[in-house]
Parts: sequence; C-alpha cells; structure tokens
Amino acid sequence: DQQVKQNSPSLSVQEGRISILNCDYTNSMFDYFLWYKKYPAEGPTFLISISSIKDKNEDGRFTVFLNKSAKHLSLHIVPSQPGDSAVYFCAARARDSNYQLIWGAGTKLIIKP
Amino acid sequence: KAGVTQTPRYLIKTRGQQVTLSCSPISGHRSVSWYQQTPGQGLQFLFEYFSETQRNKGNFPGRFSGRQFSNSRSEMNVSTLELGDSALYLCASSLTSGDSYNEQFFGPGTRLTVL
Repeated sequence: DQQVKQNSPSLSVQEGRISILNCDYTNSMFDYFLWYKKYPAEGPTFLISISSIKDKNEDGRFTVFLNKSAKHLSLHIVPSQPGDSAVYFCAARARDSNYQLIWGAGTKLIIKP
Repeated sequence: KAGVTQTPRYLIKTRGQQVTLSCSPISGHRSVSWYQQTPGQGLQFLFEYFSETQRNKGNFPGRFSGRQFSNSRSEMNVSTLELGDSALYLCASSLTSGDSYNEQFFGPGTRLTVL
C-alpha cells in the first residue's frame, strides 16, 4: 500500500518553461513534506520542504504547493534549466510511524534544449 | 566538511552469501538511516539508528540487520542473499532524530548485485 504516490514515472519539459511534478498521499498524519533531487550515481539531495500547516513554500526557482483537502502536493520549477534534469522524489514524514520518511517512486524530469 | 561516505560503492555477490555495507555519517551527525532503492519502487526504509540504538524499522525480513557504533558509523548486514536483494542501498545521516526534523544527507550508495 503506497502512502506516497508519484504517478508520472517521467516528464519532459522544454528549457525555460515551467516543470510541474506531482505527488499524492493517503495518510492524514503526514506533517511534513519534502522534495529531493537525485542525479545518477549520487545520493538524493534535499531541495525544498513544506510543513502541513502551510500551503506554499518558495525558494528561488522552486515552489512547493500543498493542497491538504486533496492530499496533493506539487513542485514547480520556473524556469526549467538543463541542470534540473534528474529524478525527483517526494517524501512525507509520518507522525504515526515514529516520524519515519515515506518516499514516492520518483519522477524522472528531462529538460529539452 | 566531508559528506556521507559509503563503502564499498559496488558489490557483486551470489545467492546465499551474506554482505556487510558500511556508512560513515557527516561529522557530528548522530542519526543514520538506511534505504533500499529499486527501479520503480522509490526508497524503501530499512532502519534508523540514533546513538547506537535502533529507533525505527521498516518492513524488511530479519535477514536485514544493522548496527551503529559509538562514533556514529553504521553497518548493515544482509544474510542469505536473494536475487531480489539486488538494489542500490543508500545511507542518510542527520543531526538528530524524531519530531525535530533535520534534513537527511545521503551518501552515494552501494550498488549490490546478487547473481
């Protein structure tokens, strides 16, 4: 039973345009959500996070939106750059599981020149 | 400041063997978490250690075990290897554990292939 779902295995976006990566979750006990980025042969690196008490967090070109009623969050990257090509993981922290991080399967983002 | 290091980076074993992977966290970090990553499955949580104690455990069989030493270095062991254990094993360290969220810093992983 996947509590965190990233339904798009891959996404292709033109350089300079907006990239939107989506994540759905089922557990209402999640209190913190994070996005990590992973390049091949490297471990994931933290990108941006949002607390469940907020609906938006912005950091430079990256913005995360949280819609708690829909149990949905999204990561917007504007404008998309070639270096953004990577796998993006959504993760959520579970209060009812000792604050363990639950991870989505990842979305591979490809930025086309 | 040195990042999280994992050794070895690549490993090939045969079914039935056992394997030990090592992780050295960032200096000063006391929490170490281990994950298994397989294609299409994302990161599956194995366990977390904090101050030499296992604080959290995922849904993996008892063949998967770990430990943490007093210097916060951690090892994970997989006994009686199966083909399905082939995966990238990632280690992540953070300052503390629990409800005071601290960013997890990942190592590059150990790629285990079981033949």
